[in-house]
Amino acid sequence: DAKTTQPTSMDCAEGRAANLPCNHSTISGNEYVYWYRQIHSQGPQYIIHGLKNNETNEMASLIITEDRKSSTLILPHATLRDTAVYYCIVRSPHTGTASKLTFGTGTRLQVTL
Amino acid sequence: NAGVMQNPRHLVRRRGQEARLRCSPMKGHSHVYWYRQLPEEGLKFMVYLQKENIIDESGMPKERFSAEFPKEGPSILRIQQVVRGDSAAYFCASSKGPGDGNTIYFGEGSWLTVV
Repeated sequence: DAKTTQPTSMDCAEGRAANLPCNHSTISGNEYVYWYRQIHSQGPQYIIHGLKNNETNEMASLIITEDRKSSTLILPHATLRDTAVYYCIVRSPHTGTASKLTFGTGTRLQVTL
Repeated sequence: NAGVMQNPRHLVRRRGQEARLRCSPMKGHSHVYWYRQLPEEGLKFMVYLQKENIIDESGMPKERFSAEFPKEGPSILRIQQVVRGDSAAYFCASSKGPGDGNTIYFGEGSWLTVV
């Protein structure tokens, strides 16, 4: 699986948009970008995933650059409950041993008043 | 639709005892993954199972740890002769199938404390 690089930590004011970047310069053409988050002492929560096109759901938007070497997760109106560690993961489309998710260190997002 | 269910949520074991952690995947899911998170560390993959088969156990310690996902019933992660270093959060996840297009969803975890 392609390696990802994320900032260690970020701050965001409540009510503002949180933009979390991720670099995945070695991504291959058929690998998806997944985002999960882990709120303290809870299980990882799926947020969104995408291949080439931008994606949006009720939680967030995912913007993937045209060359697919980087992406940005956008939380449009961050709240205190969005404080968590956010993981950007590139996942192989293959089955078998490649099916698992490999977590890096993520970005610790702190939303403040 | 119930999510991934793990139990017990908290488990305390003395050194040398056995710990059994159970995971019921989401309805319709036949693939299960186990991860471990040591205190103040990241999530580490342990094992990936399909019904009655171990697909990938590359992250499983060679001794004392085993996992199964029988045809009927929950997946079980078993830790024999626990040691203090086994104290961690163990997360189970499930998906409908392998690979892309099959999103993996996680449970809330089982916290093991070895005293």
